Amino acid sequence: EAQVTQNPRYLITVTGKKLTVTCSQNMNHEYMSWYRQDPGLGLRQIYYSMNVEVTDKGDVPEGYKVSRKEKRNFPLILESPSPNQTSLYFCASSLSGQGHSGANVLTFGAGSRLTVL
Amino acid sequence: AQSVAQPEDQVNVAEGNPLTVKCTYSVSGNPYLFWYVQYPNRGLQFLLKYITGDNLVKGSYGFEAEFNKSQTSFHLKKPSALVSDSALYFCAVSPQRSGTYKYIFGTGTRLKVLA
Repeated sequence: EAQVTQNPRYLITVTGKKLTVTCSQNMNHEYMSWYRQDPGLGLRQIYYSMNVEVTDKGDVPEGYKVSRKEKRNFPLILESPSPNQTSLYFCASSLSGQGHSGANVLTFGAGSRLTVL
Repeated sequence: AQSVAQPEDQVNVAEGNPLTVKCTYSVSGNPYLFWYVQYPNRGLQFLLKYITGDNLVKGSYGFEAEFNKSQTSFHLKKPSALVSDSALYFCAVSPQRSGTYKYIFGTGTRLKVLA
């Protein structure tokens, strides 16, 4: 089944304790992206990657890191989490290519609910 | 600044009645437009998109959306609502430029279909 898999789905942690949220897709998609969803703010893009070793900042990158060493994986790293990073996080991927690349449909993971105390 | 507005936090409609979920955008040029739906404890799922051509786009589960360039709107519609349509709906835009992967999402509208 074509899917985007995120882990963990739920996590409670404490301020300053480094954590990684993993994201993996099995569709050979070139484009991958991370979003956070907060009430009243919708989805905001954190980072995106257009291909292996190519990443760029979205709208809210502060406090996050990413890497794209393999095509299928795009982990989100919180080096020193703070309470304002408590949120619902989504990884998404899409097929990229030439031409109308922005028209590609995003496939989302099920989400990772993170609480930072 | 580029933005997407969903003016209603919640829309209530009786089962069997038509529904409309509104979306307007402020993006330069001719963007691509999308609707996604989110069911509880799930990720977002694609419903439909507009690239070019006919202003009325048909999508999954009987949903359609009407693109209006002069009003910069992309309202989601369904002729007859089902209780199972109750969910959170997001409008999104992507600028029509090759290599730009900027998706801008609205704040979401919760649709409640009452039996």
